Amino acid sequence: DAGVTQSPTHLIKTRGQHVTLRCSPISGHKSVSWYQQVLGQGPQFIFQYYEKEERGRGNFPDRFSARQFPNYSSELNVNALLLGDSALYLCASSSGAQETQYFGPGTRLLVL
Amino acid sequence: LAKTTQPISMDSYEGQEVNITCSHNNIATNDYITWYQQFPSQGPRFIIQGYKTKVTNEVASLFIPADRKSSTLSLPRVSLSDTAVYYCLVDPLYGQNFVFGPGTRLSVLP
Repeated sequence: DAGVTQSPTHLIKTRGQHVTLRCSPISGHKSVSWYQQVLGQGPQFIFQYYEKEERGRGNFPDRFSARQFPNYSSELNVNALLLGDSALYLCASSSGAQETQYFGPGTRLLVL
Repeated sequence: LAKTTQPISMDSYEGQEVNITCSHNNIATNDYITWYQQFPSQGPRFIIQGYKTKVTNEVASLFIPADRKSSTLSLPRVSLSDTAVYYCLVDPLYGQNFVFGPGTRLSVLP
């Protein structure tokens, strides 16, 4: 079975632009979570979606938004990019509440 | 929120057993404890998960005392390829934050 997949793998944007990151969960998983990982730090929780509804939100500004589609894939959108948004963005999927989260390889975003 | 505290770094030699302890003093009744391994520029990889007492799988053991305010990941006979950052995560119910600590950077020396 394929693991969690994310696209693109790398992305370069300039300040003020908008970015969309995509995630496909493991087949059968209905929950997707997004994390931001700045170099040298642990992953920081951004959002969790389950059955297409937002179930959790971390301490991130409204420039960050996400959604989950009927096939359980997900998009993370970031508007008005700042230099500080440069990070590895991780997606994780799980089959249900408190089930193991399996992470994708991440999308490395560089904001210039 | 259940914050976690881990040692920043640890060194070990090949073949030794490594124990990494995580403190989570305000863990909630329904929270689980999960450990992940992460190599540079890769997503975290699941190692083990537990709720109380001891859990063992093919790669590690997890010890959780009765008060559940800490947990210890035990890696038997480490090799050079175990050099990585290890994260302790307290898994809450839906609708709450998933809080990763800063992680423990394990260096395995020959």
